Amino acid sequence: DAGVIQSPRHEVTEMGQEVTLRCKPISGHDYLFWYRQTMMRGLELLIYFNNNVPIDDSGMPEDRFSAKMPNASFSTLKIQPSEPRDSAVYFCASSLIGNWAFFGQGTRLTVV
Amino acid sequence: SQQGEEDPQALSIQEGENATMNCSYKTSINNLQWYRQNSGRGLVHLILIRSNEREKHSGRLRVTLDTSKKSSSLLITASRAADTASYFCATDARAAGNKLTFGGGTRVLVKP
Repeated sequence: DAGVIQSPRHEVTEMGQEVTLRCKPISGHDYLFWYRQTMMRGLELLIYFNNNVPIDDSGMPEDRFSAKMPNASFSTLKIQPSEPRDSAVYFCASSLIGNWAFFGQGTRLTVV
Repeated sequence: SQQGEEDPQALSIQEGENATMNCSYKTSINNLQWYRQNSGRGLVHLILIRSNEREKHSGRLRVTLDTSKKSSSLLITASRAADTASYFCATDARAAGNKLTFGGGTRVLVKP
């Protein structure tokens, strides 16, 4: 397995634009997590899914953020409209229940 | 607030010395996990210790867990310059729907 795959690796966009981040989890994993990492706030859990169903989205900062998992092999995190304070590294991770998580390489988002 | 909190926030040691970092958490857990992050990369799991375990080893790594004190420690023995990274603890709590939440991390610098 190639591990958790995120795309794009880097994204630079203008304020107000829509941004879509993509994640392919490891096949067979039943949990998928989206995290955001900044120097100021550290690693924040935004939302996580179990068997494609969102379980807890209390970490999603605003209604501008949305996440979907239409099937077991794909998830998206969308920001619309984007703002400069959304600039961060966004990580996707997947796991089997009760086991450690495997992280993707992250998407570095810069909103100018 | 974050479930796990690491201490210290930063650590600087000479190659060959041991490095110890601690993690405290607030609620009952299924397991506690330690991860490493090199600059600009995703997190990589190191050790997972379950709530009924007290100590675990992996190579030069030793993890302890004290559920009565809600704390864990990670010891890196005979450190190497390549151990320079940030180290994070994460808790998996069944009461929180198996949410995996991370602390702020400890930045370790190993000087050659």
